[in-house]
Amino acid sequence: AQKITQTQPGMFVQEKEAVTLDCTYDTSDQSYGLFWYKQPSSGEMIFLIYQGSYDEQNATEGRYSLNFQKARKSANLVISASQLGDSAMYFCAMREHLSGGYQKVTFGTGTKLQVIP
Amino acid sequence: DGGITQSPKYLFRKEGQNVTLSCEQNLNHDAMYWYRQDPGQGLRLIYYSQIVNDFQKGDIAEGYSVSREKKESFPLTVTSAQKNPTAFYLCASSIKTGWDNQPQHFGDGTRLSIL
Repeated sequence: AQKITQTQPGMFVQEKEAVTLDCTYDTSDQSYGLFWYKQPSSGEMIFLIYQGSYDEQNATEGRYSLNFQKARKSANLVISASQLGDSAMYFCAMREHLSGGYQKVTFGTGTKLQVIP
Repeated sequence: DGGITQSPKYLFRKEGQNVTLSCEQNLNHDAMYWYRQDPGQGLRLIYYSQIVNDFQKGDIAEGYSVSREKKESFPLTVTSAQKNPTAFYLCASSIKTGWDNQPQHFGDGTRLSIL
């Protein structure tokens, strides 16, 4: 069984500063995918970035980058130059393959990020 | 525009009543999912389906039922057996191909409360 751990329930960051949100995972699979989502107070889930287990380079999408350390089983999200609109819940998630061709995605408990002006 | 539509946005249930949450997608995705989110919590998987007329239980399926009669639709019924149904329910869909970088697409959610 896989598990996603986000140990930071809440984080504060000064506007324009960088912030790292932690995520560790546990899986016995060799092939898996890691995702980060943002959930504003309105409730919708917004996809931010993806990292495949076989990707050798860390993923980047604009101000978002993923610090992937496979041996440590960590996939931390780095947000550079924080903006007030970055204030939200952030979820780490992992996709695994199950028997019968099914796929399952498991989410962590999230980190609430607040950006301070 | 393509996307996932969940309705209603807010739903109230009386004790002992079944209610059905709607989820429709026009993304031509094969896989659809239902998640439950409690305040301050992550998402927990209720049911998922990867083809029409087939679905699998997730981690917290007790007290819920689903159907997948059409590719576009994956309604969730919260039965009276679900004793604590108050939560935010999110429907998602994704492409069902091998390992790929396609994320799940989410609807805007339904907030269910007990009267």
